[in-house]
Amino acid sequence: EAQLVESGGGLVQPGGSLRLSCVASGFTFRRYAMSWVRQAPGKGLEWLSGITVSGESTEYADSVKGRFSISRDNLKNTLFLQMNSLRVEDTALYYCAKNLGAGNGWYTSWFDPWGLGTPVTVSS
Amino acid sequence: AIRMTQSPSSLSASTGDRVTITCRASQGVSSYLAWYQQKPGRAPQLLIYAASTLQSGVPSRFSGSGSGTDFTLSIASLQSEDFATYYCQQYYNYPRTFGQGTKVEVK
Repeated sequence: EAQLVESGGGLVQPGGSLRLSCVASGFTFRRYAMSWVRQAPGKGLEWLSGITVSGESTEYADSVKGRFSISRDNLKNTLFLQMNSLRVEDTALYYCAKNLGAGNGWYTSWFDPWGLGTPVTVSS
Repeated sequence: AIRMTQSPSSLSASTGDRVTITCRASQGVSSYLAWYQQKPGRAPQLLIYAASTLQSGVPSRFSGSGSGTDFTLSIASLQSEDFATYYCQQYYNYPRTFGQGTKVEVK
């Protein structure tokens, strides 16, 4: 059974940085594009970023472009999200998700499964 | 970015009711649409992709329809475990975008 486990969240001051990790198991990680999605407290879902199987191509939401960077280590079955210049409005639960769809989930992508999420709080 | 608008934002229903949720895209997304269910404190779970294809293991009381800009998620006979929030998501282009969610509550 495919499983994703996020870690690395925590409390950080505005302007600070965090690096989130997502360890995958139960499927061949290197064969699937992956994504990060967040959910602010009491709010809806916001897709943040996606990465191809090789890591050569990435996409970002405008809200995080230039501040966040997605990457992956296929040897360690791990997805990363480097978050810089954090803002109060980045406070959320951050999920990683496995992409399904055409092109290993890159050209068309719906998400299954999702991890349980790691919480990020940006506050002074 | 394509804007996804769900209606209603919330609804009250009873067990056994038929429930329909609508999702409208700000531009055509063909059939590149998925639906998710999220229960409090839990991660979202995939229900439907390609607008109408039921994910393996999802009960057949769930169904999806539509293409272009207008889509619906229907629950034929609401069960107690279906009280949750539902989200649509387009994957026609990047950035992927979600609707704001529809909360299905007990009447």
